[in-house]
Amino acid sequence: EPEVTQTPSHQVTQMGQEVILRCVPISNHLYFYWYRQILGQKVEFLVSFYNNEISEKSEIFDDQFSVERPDGSNFTLKIRSTKLEDSAMYFCASTQGLGEKLFFGSGTQLSVL
Amino acid sequence: GESVGLHLPTLSVQEGDNSIINCAYSNSASDYFIWYKQESGKGPQFIIDIRSNMDKRQGQRVTVLLNKTVKHLSLQIAATQPGDSAVYFCAEADSSYKLIFGSGTRLLVRP
Repeated sequence: EPEVTQTPSHQVTQMGQEVILRCVPISNHLYFYWYRQILGQKVEFLVSFYNNEISEKSEIFDDQFSVERPDGSNFTLKIRSTKLEDSAMYFCASTQGLGEKLFFGSGTQLSVL
Repeated sequence: GESVGLHLPTLSVQEGDNSIINCAYSNSASDYFIWYKQESGKGPQFIIDIRSNMDKRQGQRVTVLLNKTVKHLSLQIAATQPGDSAVYFCAEADSSYKLIFGSGTRLLVRP
């Protein structure tokens, strides 16, 4: 089965630093998402992306967050100035169409010190 | 407001028995529901989905039941195996297909 690939699997950073989390969605998919999961909590929606623009974003996705699809294969999440509370597992997901099966990557564990 | 919750945080079953994991949702506008399985260190893995125009859907060893009257969703796993041990999340979505996840139930399968 095709997979969503995320790198790195673990990222440790200092508070205030910028991080970029990378994802390679499944090749024929058109809708891309970022979710996050703080340890012991629910998986939370961050942002959806379609046709090279943000479709929807949550309250969590403030001005410190941005997403980009710099080429035909990568989908990135940038956090400009990380905070301690940004520590979480970040999942990328993609789907071919709305209401179709949503595939998740294995996640990037972000630790902000 | 929107919320999805699970009744049991941990479910322990004997190998070979059937498992039932329950979920309550509160957004009556949700019309798409999904069950995900999450193993340690991995992302959520799609198990089965159901749309609001159905009340039952079956897959391989899994069945999802939807009761819109009481806003309840359940996942039934037949002949539970050790490999089924994981955390199971329900999720709901409205027309935007933004998923709202429940808090998860840990399924432990005893040999």
